[in-house]
Amino acid sequence: NAGVTQTPKFQVLKTGQSMTLQCAQDMNHEYMSWYRQDPGMGLRLIHYSVGAGITDQGEVPNGYNVSRSTTEDFPLRLLSAAPSQTSVYFCASTDRANYGYTFGSGTRLTVV
Amino acid sequence: QKEVEQDPGPLSVPEGAIVSLNCTYSNSAFQYFMWYRQYSRKGPELLMYTYSSGNKEDGRFTAQVDKSSKYISLFIRDSQPSDSATYLCAMRSRMDSNYQLIWGAGTKLIIKP
Repeated sequence: NAGVTQTPKFQVLKTGQSMTLQCAQDMNHEYMSWYRQDPGMGLRLIHYSVGAGITDQGEVPNGYNVSRSTTEDFPLRLLSAAPSQTSVYFCASTDRANYGYTFGSGTRLTVV
Repeated sequence: QKEVEQDPGPLSVPEGAIVSLNCTYSNSAFQYFMWYRQYSRKGPELLMYTYSSGNKEDGRFTAQVDKSSKYISLFIRDSQPSDSATYLCAMRSRMDSNYQLIWGAGTKLIIKP
């Protein structure tokens, strides 16, 4: 099925470890974004991209890095994990023909 | 003050009731209005989309936009236990070329059988 695929679904990291959350879409969407969702905080934008080779910061970018080498993939890198990065992470995509985002199923990350 | 305000709830109603979910906003440039539904441990999914003012109906769901009051609503008729979820409103400015959505915090809805 077409959509946004996120891996892994669950991850436990130790403080200071690094990891990459994967996001891939097969809808040829030009826009992709990463959100984190915490209780009572809603969705907060981390980084976004409006096309291959173009990325920009969102509301809460510190501690995260992104790149967009292809239209399909938009990985999110945690450089040195901290307990404050314990959250649920969602990847989303859209294009000019759509007004709503398509979301992935999320990655639940716990940093101990 | 946040650009989009949404009561977090929870809102608990009996099955069959009419549900009203609301968001207020402060940016008069918002032109695109959306409602997303998020089931527990799932990603948000687009439920309704409205451009500018007016009403839009889709089955048991009606989305309403009042730009003069900067207020949007989602009505659910004949509510079912399967409607239990968190409902998020989202908006986009006509002047934004980067597809950015501004989100409400979400309202948790519980439909009691």
